[in-house]
Amino acid sequence: QLVLTQSPSASASLGASVKLTCTLSSGHSSYAIAWHQQQPEKGPRYLMKLNSDGSHSKGDGIPDRFSGSSSGAERYLTISSLQSEDEADYYCQTWGTGMVFGGGTKLTVL
Amino acid sequence: QVQLVESGGGLVKPGGSLRLSCAASGFTFSDYYMSWIRQAPGKGLEWVSYISSSGSTIYYADSVKGRFTISRDNAKNSLYLQMNSLRAEDTAVYYCARAHIPAVANWGQGTLVTVSS
Repeated sequence: QLVLTQSPSASASLGASVKLTCTLSSGHSSYAIAWHQQQPEKGPRYLMKLNSDGSHSKGDGIPDRFSGSSSGAERYLTISSLQSEDEADYYCQTWGTGMVFGGGTKLTVL
Repeated sequence: QVQLVESGGGLVKPGGSLRLSCAASGFTFSDYYMSWIRQAPGKGLEWVSYISSSGSTIYYADSVKGRFTISRDNAKNSLYLQMNSLRAEDTAVYYCARAHIPAVANWGQGTLVTVSS
């Protein structure tokens, strides 16, 4: 069964970098995923599509501070030079028989 | 630019029905898979259903199978979700989304559905 696993929470200081992880279930390590950001009281926003080889394509207007990488079944979202507006929920998502979402990671910017 | 505008949400009693609509613009609607995704209050994102570009392929989450029906009108650039036999656990913000497989590439602003007596 295709499952995406995310840590419930993460924190980092203003101006620092943070790396969020999304883990694909066994047997699905070749799958591409997408990352989405949801700021408080707002709808989700597409950040990027991330392939198994680490190549990624970002959505319109997504700053260079957001980047993606991959290793095996792990898919990463790195945010550098953290800003206050980066405090949000981050979801990974992929496509099997249906669409699958991770449980989300709540990022706190200290 | 891509715009997805949902409508049709509101308050409905358990067992009732509601039809959501999504008006799409800024892209060739008939070229893309479309999806409905929902978010219960304080919870994460949950996929509900998707429909292929032609409408020939449709899938539903187990939680709504048999109760919800997704459809599209490519001539009107519109996506629909007919929701029957609504339950309290269907209370959520419902988002219309354009799929660029495997990604959700665009999101609407959402419409709130509240199921309560």
